[in-house]
Amino acid sequence: DTEVTQTPKHLVMGMTNKKSLKCEQHMGHRAMYWYKQKAKKPPELMFVYSYEKLSINESVPSRFSPECPNSSLLNLHLHALQPEDSALYLCASSQDPFASNRYEQFFGPGTRLTVL
Amino acid sequence: KQEVTQIPAALSVPEGENLVLNCSFTDSAIYNLQWFRQDPGKGLTSLLLIQSSQREQTSGRLNASLDKSSGRSTLYIAASQPGDSATYLCAVRQRGSGGGADGLTFGKGTHLIIQP
Repeated sequence: DTEVTQTPKHLVMGMTNKKSLKCEQHMGHRAMYWYKQKAKKPPELMFVYSYEKLSINESVPSRFSPECPNSSLLNLHLHALQPEDSALYLCASSQDPFASNRYEQFFGPGTRLTVL
Repeated sequence: KQEVTQIPAALSVPEGENLVLNCSFTDSAIYNLQWFRQDPGKGLTSLLLIQSSQREQTSGRLNASLDKSSGRSTLYIAASQPGDSATYLCAVRQRGSGGGADGLTFGKGTHLIIQP
C-alpha cells in the first residue's frame, strides 16, 4: 500500500468556523508533511513532523494548528481562516526522516479548501 | 535560500516527439531531487527520485539526470503521448535543522500539452 489518503476532498468554511483536515498513511513512514498550494503556484511547505514530533514550522500563522496523534495520522486544525487561505492542502509522507537521501515523498490527493 | 527554476514554463508539441524539461537549483547541497506530475486539481504523482550521489534514473519512457555540481536536472520524455499532458514539477530536498527531515522546495513547473 503506497497510498496517502486525505479527507475531506473539498471543504467550504466561513471565517468563524473551526474545521480539521485529516491525512493517513499505512506505509510505516515516520516523516509527515503539510503543504499549501495556491492556484497555478507550486506547493509550499507548512509543517514537518519527524517521529510524531513537530520539527519544522515554516512561520505559518497560528490559525493553522497541526497535530500528529500517532505515526499514521496527521491532522491540520483550522480556525478563523481568511479568504486568502483558500488553497489545495496537500499531505505527504516519507519513510525515514534521518535517511533523507534515499526516500521519496508520497503525496495525497489534497483537500480543496474554500474560505468564504 | 534554495531557489528552483524550471524551463520552459509551458510546452505544446504533437504526440510522438521526444521532450526535454529543465530544472535548475541554486544550492547544490541537496539530499535528492524528485520529479512529479500533477494533473489539474489533483495531487502530485512521484515520477522519479534521484539521490544526490546518482547521475540518472529511468522509469519506462522517462529518464531523469542530475548534475549536482552545476545545479541542474533534466527530465527526458520519449515518444510523448496525449496522456502525458500535465504539469511537471521538479523538487529538491535538503537537510533540515537538527539533521532531520526537511520538506521539498519546488519549481513552478512546466505545463505540458501533447497534441493528438
